[in-house]
Amino acid sequence: DGGITQSPKYLFRKEGQNVTLSCEQNLNHDAMYWYRQDPGQGLRLIYYSQIVNDFQKGDIAEGYSVSREKKESFPLTVTSAQKNPTAFYLCASSRKGSSTDTQYFGPGTRLTVL
Amino acid sequence: QKEVEQNSGPLSVPEGAIASLNCTYSDRGSQSFFWYRQYSGKSPELIMSIYSNGDKEDGRFTAQLNKASQYVSLLIRDSQPSDSATYLCAVGGSNYKLTFGKGTLLTVNP
Repeated sequence: DGGITQSPKYLFRKEGQNVTLSCEQNLNHDAMYWYRQDPGQGLRLIYYSQIVNDFQKGDIAEGYSVSREKKESFPLTVTSAQKNPTAFYLCASSRKGSSTDTQYFGPGTRLTVL
Repeated sequence: QKEVEQNSGPLSVPEGAIASLNCTYSDRGSQSFFWYRQYSGKSPELIMSIYSNGDKEDGRFTAQLNKASQYVSLLIRDSQPSDSATYLCAVGGSNYKLTFGKGTLLTVNP
C-alpha cells in the first residue's frame, strides 16, 4: 500500500536533548512538509522540501532542522534550541510543491518533553 | 499575514441533520481550498478539494466556494455519529503553502 509512515508514534525528550522524527513516503511525491499542531491550534508549517537536497523554512523553523537526501525521506530534528517542543508533529507529502496539490498526511508523532 | 478563520465550535447537530461548516480567508489570490477531517488523536484526512466558484458534491459532502466573498463551506448531509470530528479548512495561495484554520469541532448526537 502506498502511504506515509512516521516513527515513532510517541517520543519523550529530556531537556537539552536533540531528537529526530522519521518520515517516509512511497507515493513517489516530490514535495514533503513538516507541520506542528498544538491543542486548539491549526497546523503550522515548520519546513518543506520540493525536491531532493533542497528545503525551505516555513513559519516556525527556529529550533528545528531537516534534511532531504532521498526522495522518500524527510527527517525532522527537534533541537535543544526549541524551547517548547511538546506538540503533535505531522509529516505530509504532495505530488509537486504547488499549493493546488493535495497534501496527504502521515499518522503523526506525539512529542513530549519531560 | 494570510489568515483562515473558522468557528471553533463545538457545533452540535442531531443524527440525520445537515451540518454546515464555514471558513473565511483573507488572501484574495487564493486558488485552492481543502477540507480535512481530523479525529481526536489522529492525523488529518482529506474530504474534499475545490478550486472553482460554486458547489462540488461527493456523496454526503458538498463544498461551496465563493471567491468574491472569500468564503468556503462544507455541508454534511444525513450527519452520522461517525462524522463527529474536527474539520480543518486549508487554503492554498499563490505560492507553495497551505494555510490552515484552527478547525471546527463537530458533534453529531444519536
